[in-house]
Amino acid sequence: EDKVVQSPLSLVVHEGDTVTLNCSYEVTNFRSLLWYKQEKKAPTFLFMLTSSGIEKKSGRLSSILDKKELSSILNITATQTGDSAIYLCAASMNRDDKIIFGKGTRLHILP
Amino acid sequence: ETGVTQTPRHLVMGMTNKKSLKCEQHLGHNAMYWYKQSAKKPLELMFVYNFKEQTENNSVPSRFSPECPNSSHLFLHLHTLQPEDSALYLCASSQVLLAWEQYFGPGTRLTVT
Repeated sequence: EDKVVQSPLSLVVHEGDTVTLNCSYEVTNFRSLLWYKQEKKAPTFLFMLTSSGIEKKSGRLSSILDKKELSSILNITATQTGDSAIYLCAASMNRDDKIIFGKGTRLHILP
Repeated sequence: ETGVTQTPRHLVMGMTNKKSLKCEQHLGHNAMYWYKQSAKKPLELMFVYNFKEQTENNSVPSRFSPECPNSSHLFLHLHTLQPEDSALYLCASSQVLLAWEQYFGPGTRLTVT
């Protein structure tokens, strides 16, 4: 069965801390790994990763894919209260263009 | 401001009602999507439309019926729903099919009583 597992499910840290969110996947015909940030209601796209070992960065956020370990991490440095959100990981597959989402990590940044 | 709008924002309906959710995108995109997000489940992709043609139906029950009259509008017709269908229904669009930079609407919070 195809699945995406995220950990931790929830995380509370203080402003300024660095956090690492984990995502592991077991899917057939893997194509890419996606990260989204969801605050209030609608998710916003963060990263798409297709190649192993190549870090993608956007400001204080960065992500990398490890195809050997079937996993990805999302790092956020110098966290701010505005980073509080649910971070969703998803795996896309070549077969039927399917996308499987994890349950998300709920991140709360304390001021 | 998001270029994808959804109406209504909140909807309460009984199990015997028929209602429709509407999504409109003002971005000139060619692909549109319906997602369901339940409180305790991951975000689920329901339907995908590309140039008004449905390209994907992720085993969604027939009580959910999508309609895409043109590339800018997407509807989700609902009938004889179950309480477990209560969720946030998100519409999204992208320039091309399954482009990963998808733009999401604010969602419709549906409660089935």
